[in-house]
Amino acid sequence: DAGVIQSPRHEVTEMGQEVTLRCKPISGHNSLFWYRQTMMRGLELLIYFNNNVPIDDSGMPEDRFSAKMPNASFSTLKIQPSEPRDSAVYFCASSLARGLEAFFGQGTRLTVV
Amino acid sequence: GQQLNQSPQSMFIQEGEDVSMNCTSSSIFNTWLWYKQDPGEGPVLLIALYKAGELTSNGRLTAQFGITRKDSFLNISASIPSDVGIYFCAGNPTDSWGKLQFGAGTQVVVTP
Repeated sequence: DAGVIQSPRHEVTEMGQEVTLRCKPISGHNSLFWYRQTMMRGLELLIYFNNNVPIDDSGMPEDRFSAKMPNASFSTLKIQPSEPRDSAVYFCASSLARGLEAFFGQGTRLTVV
Repeated sequence: GQQLNQSPQSMFIQEGEDVSMNCTSSSIFNTWLWYKQDPGEGPVLLIALYKAGELTSNGRLTAQFGITRKDSFLNISASIPSDVGIYFCAGNPTDSWGKLQFGAGTQVVVTP
């Protein structure tokens, strides 16, 4: 059974460009999480969805970040415009139900130059 | 901000030794999870705990859900070189159910 699938694995972009990260959760899971990992701040929860509905987006850094989940099998995290301080590894995770253990994708390493 | 305090920050141990790390929070948690992350990979779930007092093992790993619901520990017995990595605690606080939060991690280095 496939795990959480993220794309791309690596992204290098210039400051000011739009970046879109993609995630396919595990089939049948109804909670989805977006995390950002940096050396300084560790794993930060940006936003999480339950049944495709955003429940808590208080971790989203600012208006340049947005996330959508148009259906149960796909989610995107968009940064527009991107800045060098957005450089990090972004993880998507999903869980069978709210409050249960989450399973992570392999992450997208974003570098903004 | 982060509600979980994980310690120690890092550990340097010899192969064969036991490892112990813990997590505490200021609020009550309904779920405690322990993950391991290898370089370039996403965190991998090791153990999930759902009841206060619960003690669960997974091979050489043992974790407990504290009675107060505000702490958890993870033990690794007889460490081996492949135990090297960063271990994270995570949990679901009762006051924000579903909002899975992570500790800062414990870096484990095992020397032969």
